[in-house]
Amino acid sequence: SQKIEQNSEALNIQEGKTATLTCNYTNYSPAYLQWYRQDPGRGPVFLLLIRENEKEKRKERLKVTFDTTLKQSLFHITASQPADSATYLCALAYGGSQGNLIFGKGTKLSVKP
Amino acid sequence: EADIYQTPRYLVIGTGKKITLECSQTMGHDKMYWYQQDPGMELHLIHYSYGVNSTEKGDLSSESTVSRIRTEHFPLTLESARPSHTSQYLCASSEMRVSGNTIYFGEGSWLTVV
Repeated sequence: SQKIEQNSEALNIQEGKTATLTCNYTNYSPAYLQWYRQDPGRGPVFLLLIRENEKEKRKERLKVTFDTTLKQSLFHITASQPADSATYLCALAYGGSQGNLIFGKGTKLSVKP
Repeated sequence: EADIYQTPRYLVIGTGKKITLECSQTMGHDKMYWYQQDPGMELHLIHYSYGVNSTEKGDLSSESTVSRIRTEHFPLTLESARPSHTSQYLCASSEMRVSGNTIYFGEGSWLTVV
């Protein structure tokens, strides 16, 4: 079965630096991959979607890459701010583009002023 | 912000009680989901629905049941709650697009069974 590994449970960085989070998966490549942000006690919020035929996607200070050879996605937040502190979840679609998502455990990012 | 609402947000009940967690969305989405998430752990899909009168079991076995009589409403019921059911339950919905389904989550319902 498909498994997702987000490389670290927690990441601490200084304000203004770039945060880089990693998502690795096993088995087959998904039709697309998504990143979500989750704040404590809240539901996840969608950030970005990248399809298997796309190498990179950007949205404001966010950038996602997708390497189907390495079976890996990288999520970058540039010029990080304390308000970026949250848990970031990687999610993969299985069973095609209309399939359901499976989620990783997430990486808890803390940005210190 | 997504228009998906869950009630109650927090619930503490005794073992053996029947409970229903309510979920409504105003976006007209066909597909709806229930996920279960324990603190610090990943979300697990327990139920989903493609539309009215459609219900499917997810990847994680659950003793709960769901119904979908109206597009906007997807309640989850536990007939007899047990302490092992203590968890956060997240309702979600999505449009079904060829390009992929972006999921919109509610704020979650925290259930504690004592």
